[in-house]
Amino acid sequence: DAKTTQPPSMDCAEGRAANLPCNHSTISGNEYVYWYRQIHSQGPQYIIHGLKNNETNEMASLIITEDRKSSTLILPHATLRDTAVYYCIVRANAGGTSYGKLTFGQGTILTVHP
Amino acid sequence: GAGVSQSPSNKVTEKGKDVELRCDPISGHTALYWYRQSLGQGLEFLIYFQGNSAPDKSGLPSDRFSAERTGGSVSTLTIQRTQQEDSAVYLCASSRSIQVGTEAFFGQGTRLTVV
Repeated sequence: DAKTTQPPSMDCAEGRAANLPCNHSTISGNEYVYWYRQIHSQGPQYIIHGLKNNETNEMASLIITEDRKSSTLILPHATLRDTAVYYCIVRANAGGTSYGKLTFGQGTILTVHP
Repeated sequence: GAGVSQSPSNKVTEKGKDVELRCDPISGHTALYWYRQSLGQGLEFLIYFQGNSAPDKSGLPSDRFSAERTGGSVSTLTIQRTQQEDSAVYLCASSRSIQVGTEAFFGQGTRLTVV
């Protein structure tokens, strides 16, 4: 019960923006949206998280819809090294079954090609 | 240390033997997580520890699996009477706490092969 739905795979041209969607229609009011990625043969790496406002850091931007039922991770200028599996996760700040642990779904395999 | 360290990096064991996997979290991190990832699959939560609280063991697949964390630092995941379906990469992660806003840092994992 990962509580999120992502497309299994996406392609992106190097240098272009990669927009990775995630549906979380059953998200609760106290649940945050997290994104991690896993490059082949490595452990997952944190990217970004948010509650309801859009967020930006040095790696990516996170756009969360007003009803919070979906979000989009944006890699503004994808490089070949961004090829990875991207996981969208919902996680509660306190209480509830998702408190504390990160529950990973199948994620989206993003392939960045030259 | 600079990151989460796991040992061994690879382990091959015979079916029926017990194995111990070790995780050294980042110094000062109070939360520690264990996950496993079978070939071509996503990450499966096993257990997490937070400070002195009782661990959340809800993801352990059977009573052959157990984990402990001594002194709030190093953790050991033990699998008794290993089976072939236990073959996977076992990943450990740590974070400053389990509160939102604290990212989890993952180790490189231990690849367990049961033959």
